[in-house]
Amino acid sequence: DGGITQSPKYLFRKEGQNVTLSCEQNLNHDAMYWYRQDPGQGLRLIYYSQIVNDFQKGDIAEGYSVSREKKESFPLTVTSAQKNPTAFYLCATRLGRGPVWTEAFFGQGTRLTVV
Amino acid sequence: AQTVTQSQPEMSVQEAETVTLSCTYDTSENNYYLFWYKQPPSRQMILVIRQEAYKQQNATENRFSVNFQKAAKSFSLKISDSQLGDTAMYFCAFMKGGGADGLTFGKGTHLIIQP
Repeated sequence: DGGITQSPKYLFRKEGQNVTLSCEQNLNHDAMYWYRQDPGQGLRLIYYSQIVNDFQKGDIAEGYSVSREKKESFPLTVTSAQKNPTAFYLCATRLGRGPVWTEAFFGQGTRLTVV
Repeated sequence: AQTVTQSQPEMSVQEAETVTLSCTYDTSENNYYLFWYKQPPSRQMILVIRQEAYKQQNATENRFSVNFQKAAKSFSLKISDSQLGDTAMYFCAFMKGGGADGLTFGKGTHLIIQP
């Protein structure tokens, strides 16, 4: 099946711990994105990557880190510096080349809870 | 930077009625795209409809249509013959031409279709 896989679906973290959320895609898309969703806040962009080994900060990058070592993978690490990490995290991908507009596809999300 | 504003946190209508969701945006870009996304209780993001800024004709997709007023920077979504399955969060989103830096979302409108 072609698609985007986010894992795990639910994640619990103790305060002070780093945790990594996985996003894998087999759509051969160049661009990948991480969004954070909070109640009443919509989706906010954390980080994005257009090509392997390159990524840019989004609107709320503080306390997060990413890597893009492979085209298929864009893991997000929530560090202990993130003061309020409890949220729903969505990964998205786009073809990123060819016609100007290409549709963004979203994963199923990971619900992170700090305990 | 661009902003997207949805002024209706929640709306409720009866099944089969027509409902309009409001969205305004602010940008200095001339080349951009606008979208409406649906997020049902499963939390999967689903693209409902898109509008290219350079097109004067309003986009339509079956029961879904938009009213795009470029000068007023307004982009409303009309759902005709509403169905119980339309119950969801609806997000208005903006993307610059090329889409390199992803989507900017509004805070969402929770639409409830009553039987």
